[in-house]
Amino acid sequence: EDQVTQSPEALRLQEGESSSLNCSYTVSGLRGLFWYRQDPGKGPEFLFTLYSAGEEKEKERLKATLTKKESFLHITAPKPEDSATYLCATIQGAQKLVFGQGTRLTINP
Amino acid sequence: ETGVTQSPTHLIKTRGQQVTLRCSSQSGHNTVSWYQQALGQGPQFIFQYYREEENGRGNFPPRFSGLQFPNYSSELNVNALELDDSALYLCASSSDRSNQPQHFGDGTRLSIL
Repeated sequence: EDQVTQSPEALRLQEGESSSLNCSYTVSGLRGLFWYRQDPGKGPEFLFTLYSAGEEKEKERLKATLTKKESFLHITAPKPEDSATYLCATIQGAQKLVFGQGTRLTINP
Repeated sequence: ETGVTQSPTHLIKTRGQQVTLRCSSQSGHNTVSWYQQALGQGPQFIFQYYREEENGRGNFPPRFSGLQFPNYSSELNVNALELDDSALYLCASSSDRSNQPQHFGDGTRLSIL
């Protein structure tokens, strides 16, 4: 069965301090790697889909990259409003998402 | 474009009771998936419905059941509630069974006393 592991579990940064979140996966035949953002009390909000190694996607201060074994979510010059839990997931079977446990990101002003 | 909506937002039940949670899928989406998210964890797949048929199930007991209606809305039913069923229940919809992104509602917070 697919496994998805995210690190670190929690990350605290100062405003403007860039960093990266990691998502490692073991899956036979990757069909898609998804990144979501989840705010407290809300459902996950879709950010990116990556389909093949070498692919990159960007949105504002976020950039997602993909290799054959892991994905990174790079956060450049973050702002306090970027504070959230970031989840990654792979697709297994017909359309079952297998999630990691998430990285709780806090950006201090 | 109307997003995924879930009701109710919060629910409190006692052990042994039954509960029904509801989900309206995003406009144009015909696939609905349900997930359970415990506090501090990632969502866990319960099952998926495509065109009113169950299309995959996770490691959840039969007391978790569901339905999808012709308008693609869906229900999650849980019988004989247990304390461990306390969680955020999330519904997600997508356009078909392929590898397109799933879009989530804000969930139903279920508390079992």
